[in-house]
Amino acid sequence: KNQVEQSPQSLIILEGKNCTLQCNYTVSPFSNLRWYKQDTGRGPVSLTIMTFSENTKSNGRYTATLDADTKQSSLHITASQLSDSASYICVVSLHYGGSQGNLIFGKGTKLSVKP
Amino acid sequence: DAGITQSPRYKITETGRQVTLMCHQTWSHSYMFWYRQDLGHGLRLIYYSAAADITDKGEVPDGYVVSRSKTENFPLTLESATRSQTSVYFCASSESDVREQFFGPGTRLTVL
Repeated sequence: KNQVEQSPQSLIILEGKNCTLQCNYTVSPFSNLRWYKQDTGRGPVSLTIMTFSENTKSNGRYTATLDADTKQSSLHITASQLSDSASYICVVSLHYGGSQGNLIFGKGTKLSVKP
Repeated sequence: DAGITQSPRYKITETGRQVTLMCHQTWSHSYMFWYRQDLGHGLRLIYYSAAADITDKGEVPDGYVVSRSKTENFPLTLESATRSQTSVYFCASSESDVREQFFGPGTRLTVL
């Protein structure tokens, strides 16, 4: 069964600290992996998209890694800010010749950054 | 306004009523999507559309109807609302299957 599991479910860190969020997937055939940030009460916003051949991608203080062999991804946040408080969602895309109806969503990690 | 918008942002209705949620995007993206988001679940795809007049079912299509007569609009209709359809609904659009999806701000629907 195609699944995306994220850990931890929730995380509290102090402002300025780093943190790493995990995503494990059992999705085949794989097309790409995406990380989204979702602020409370708003729609998700894309942070990164990585294909099979990419193992690292950065977007400012956010760095995503992908190990396609072990089917694991991580999102590292450096020098956290209060505005990083949000849910972070890992999404894996199935490769079905261009069909768009094949995104598998994780349930997200809720990050709270405290002053 | 540029981007993707949804209306209404909040809606309360009663069981059995018909409700239509609107989605409008200004980028001329080919693909549009409707998702629902519930506590304990990730985002779940209801319907998607690859182009005007082309729609297809997602993971949870029962009880919903969509249409796409124009590229920029993708309305979602609940023909006879049920309490289980209480949720937050997100519309999204994208240029292609490998590009990012852009999400709207969501519609919070409560069915009493």
